[in-house]
Amino acid sequence: EAGVVQSPRYKIIEKKQPVAFWCNPISGHNTLYWYRQNLGQGPELLIRYENEEAVDDSQLPKDRFSAERLKGVDSTLKIQPAELGDSAVYLCASSLGRGGSQETQYFGPGTRLLVL
Amino acid sequence: GENVEQHPSTLSVQEGDSAVIKCTYSDSASNYFPWYKQELGKGPQLIIDIRSNVGEKKDQRIAVTLNKTAKHFSLHITETQPEDSAVYFCAARRSNFGNEKLTFGTGTRLTIIP
Repeated sequence: EAGVVQSPRYKIIEKKQPVAFWCNPISGHNTLYWYRQNLGQGPELLIRYENEEAVDDSQLPKDRFSAERLKGVDSTLKIQPAELGDSAVYLCASSLGRGGSQETQYFGPGTRLLVL
Repeated sequence: GENVEQHPSTLSVQEGDSAVIKCTYSDSASNYFPWYKQELGKGPQLIIDIRSNVGEKKDQRIAVTLNKTAKHFSLHITETQPEDSAVYFCAARRSNFGNEKLTFGTGTRLTIIP
């Protein structure tokens, strides 16, 4: 079974430029998460989708960050404009759904962003 | 909200010895506690998890214990091997349909000395 796929794996941009990350979750997984992981820290949730609905975006900096999951499968996370403090690893995870073992989250390899 | 503290931040053990990593959580309603292993350049990988209706779970060389009263849980790795070297994260979550946020600890860098 293919895991969570993310692209690009690495991105270097100058501050004030836009950047986008793409995620393809495990087939059949209804729940999709975007996390940000700063150096030396654990992942922190940015947004959670149930199918195409964003059900928890309380930690998403909405002035510059946006996300979409139009058909309830792939998702895109965008930053515009990027700031120096946005340098981090952006992780996508997915789970089957709600209840018991269906809530187990599987992570992709992440996109490592460096803002210069 | 939930707060998860993890100790130690770094841990070095001789190959073959045991390693123990401890976490505490603040939200008494949390009922799901996974452990993730993250190797360099990769995403976190689930290695074991435990739910609040059990006190211990074991999978080969890995075990997790949970003390709900004290609100702490621990990861135990026995007979450590070089491939166990990685960063380990604990996490906690309250699964009550509508609040499934997973809160992670700050990680433990485990180094196995050959």
